[in-house]
Amino acid sequence: EPEVTQTPSHQVTQMGQEVILRCVPISNHLYFYWYRQILGQKVEFLVSFYNNEISEKSEIFDDQFSVERPDGSNFTLKIRSTKLEDSAMYFCASSRDIYSGNTIYFGEGSWLTVV
Amino acid sequence: GDSVTQMEGPVTLSEEAFLTINCTYTATGYPSLFWYVQYPGEGLQLLLKATKADDKGSNKGFEATYRKETTSFHLEKGSVQVSDSAVYFCALRGAGNMLTFGGGTRLMVKP
Repeated sequence: EPEVTQTPSHQVTQMGQEVILRCVPISNHLYFYWYRQILGQKVEFLVSFYNNEISEKSEIFDDQFSVERPDGSNFTLKIRSTKLEDSAMYFCASSRDIYSGNTIYFGEGSWLTVV
Repeated sequence: GDSVTQMEGPVTLSEEAFLTINCTYTATGYPSLFWYVQYPGEGLQLLLKATKADDKGSNKGFEATYRKETTSFHLEKGSVQVSDSAVYFCALRGAGNMLTFGGGTRLMVKP
């Protein structure tokens, strides 16, 4: 079964450093997402991406965050200057379209620890 | 805005016990409803879904019925196993393109 893949599975970075999290969505999917889950808390929406631009973003997705689809397969989340509170599991996800009944498929996540 | 409320855990059950995890939602329009499961050390996996009122989603012995009149989508299983120990998330996908998640309920099943 096709799946969303994410790298790295775990990254430790120093506060103030830039981090890039990478994702390969399912190949025939058109919509891509990033979510995050701070330890013990809810899974929160960050951003959705379609046709090479952001379609929606949450209040969490401020100027330190950016997303990009640099080629035909990868989808990246960049955090420009990490803060301690950015420590979380970041999930990439994709879906075929925006029909609400269609499933959004998630990767296994990238654990980011900011020290 | 859209929101999902689910019962707080942890829920601790003995093997073969009956499971119910309550989930209620607030949304405009007619959302689709989902249950995702997160096993220890793993990502989010779709467990089941329902796309319209009175639909029943089912998978691996789990069931949930989309109840529009009570805005609920409670998860049930007749006989839980140790391998069902995980965190369960109720979620909706509505007019916006994203999923809105509940807070998650940790289930622990003891042999």
